[in-house]
Amino acid sequence: EAQVTQNPRYLITVTGKKLTVTCSQNMNHEYMSWYRQDPGLGLRQIYYSMNVEVTDKGDVPEGYKVSRKEKRNFPLILESPSPNQTSLYFCASSFGGTYNEQFFGPGTRLTVL
Amino acid sequence: ILNVEQSPQSLHVQEGDSTNFTCSFPSSNFYALHWYRWETAKSPEALFVMTLNGDEKKKGRISATLNTKEGYSYLYIKGSQPEDSATYLCAFCDSGYSTLTFGKGTMLLVSP
Repeated sequence: EAQVTQNPRYLITVTGKKLTVTCSQNMNHEYMSWYRQDPGLGLRQIYYSMNVEVTDKGDVPEGYKVSRKEKRNFPLILESPSPNQTSLYFCASSFGGTYNEQFFGPGTRLTVL
Repeated sequence: ILNVEQSPQSLHVQEGDSTNFTCSFPSSNFYALHWYRWETAKSPEALFVMTLNGDEKKKGRISATLNTKEGYSYLYIKGSQPEDSATYLCAFCDSGYSTLTFGKGTMLLVSP
């Protein structure tokens, strides 16, 4: 089944404790991206990647890191999480670039205390 | 950061009503306009990706139009059903490999 998977789905952590949210797709998509969803603010893009070893900042990259060592995986790293990073996070992928529909993962609900 | 506006913010209609929403985006450097449907507790799912001025797309009772010169797109739902209740998102990009900027969405509630 073609899909985008994220892990974990739910995470409660404390300020400053490094964490990684994994994202994997099995559709051989070139473009992958991370979004955060906050009430009243809509989906905002954090980082995106056009292909292996090619990443770029989205609209809200502060406090996040990403890597794209393999085509299928695009982990999101929070080196020192803070409470303002409490949010719902979505990973998405598409064939080619932004001219094709994005396939979204199931979401990760992160709470930073 | 690009400005993508959606209106109305929310809408409550009766089953059988037809409805439409608006997405406004920058009219310069247009590349593509996406529409997504997002049900509560699920992930957004693509409805349409539109790239040409004057484009019209249709999927069942849902259709969309695009005007890139004036910077707007309309999403229409004909004969709304309760299962159409969801948040409808549009997203704009100004190049093929760049950021995708989403609007805040229109929340539709269809009552039986």
